[in-house]
Amino acid sequence: DGGITQSPKYLFRKEGQNVTLSCEQNLNHDAMYWYRQDPGQGLRLIYYSQIVNDFQKGDIAEGYSVSREKKESFPLTVTSAQKNPTAFYLCASSKISTSSYNEQFFGPGTRLTVL
Amino acid sequence: GIQVEQSPPDLILQEGANSTLRCNFSDSVNNLQWFHQNPWGQLINLFYIPSGTKQNGRLSATAVATERYSLLYISSSQTTDSGVYFCAGGSGGGADGLTFGKGTHLIIQP
Repeated sequence: DGGITQSPKYLFRKEGQNVTLSCEQNLNHDAMYWYRQDPGQGLRLIYYSQIVNDFQKGDIAEGYSVSREKKESFPLTVTSAQKNPTAFYLCASSKISTSSYNEQFFGPGTRLTVL
Repeated sequence: GIQVEQSPPDLILQEGANSTLRCNFSDSVNNLQWFHQNPWGQLINLFYIPSGTKQNGRLSATAVATERYSLLYISSSQTTDSGVYFCAGGSGGGADGLTFGKGTHLIIQP
């Protein structure tokens, strides 16, 4: 089955701890993205990557880090520097096309709660 | 960066009614998408529509690039259409992330 998987579905963390969220895709997409959603709000871009071993900051990158060692995987680490980490985190991927056809597809998300 | 404004923020309709959701962009986008977020949080792709009009069953979408807005039409609403509808757009190469609106919360009553 082709798609985007995220794990875990729910995650609880104590204040001061780093935590890593997993995102894997088997769609052979070049680009991958991380978004954050707060209650009653739209999604905001944290980081994105268009190619292995390269990534760019989005609008709210502070307190987060990412890596892109494989095309299929784009893990997100929420560090203790992130002041309000409790949120719903969504991963997405897309092709990169010269015709600008770059429809993004989303995983099911991870709900992170800081206790 | 691009600002995205969606209207209305909330909409309550009776089953069978038609609805129009609007999305305004502060700048040109070449990568425009509409999503439906289900109660479990999953974003379901409805349309990828940089310009023009597309239709899929009871849903259709129009994007007017020159005037920087898009419309989503839902005809003959069903209770299963309830949820939050988001539009999002990107510029540049299109693979540098989307900017989302805050969504329209649609409730269809039986």
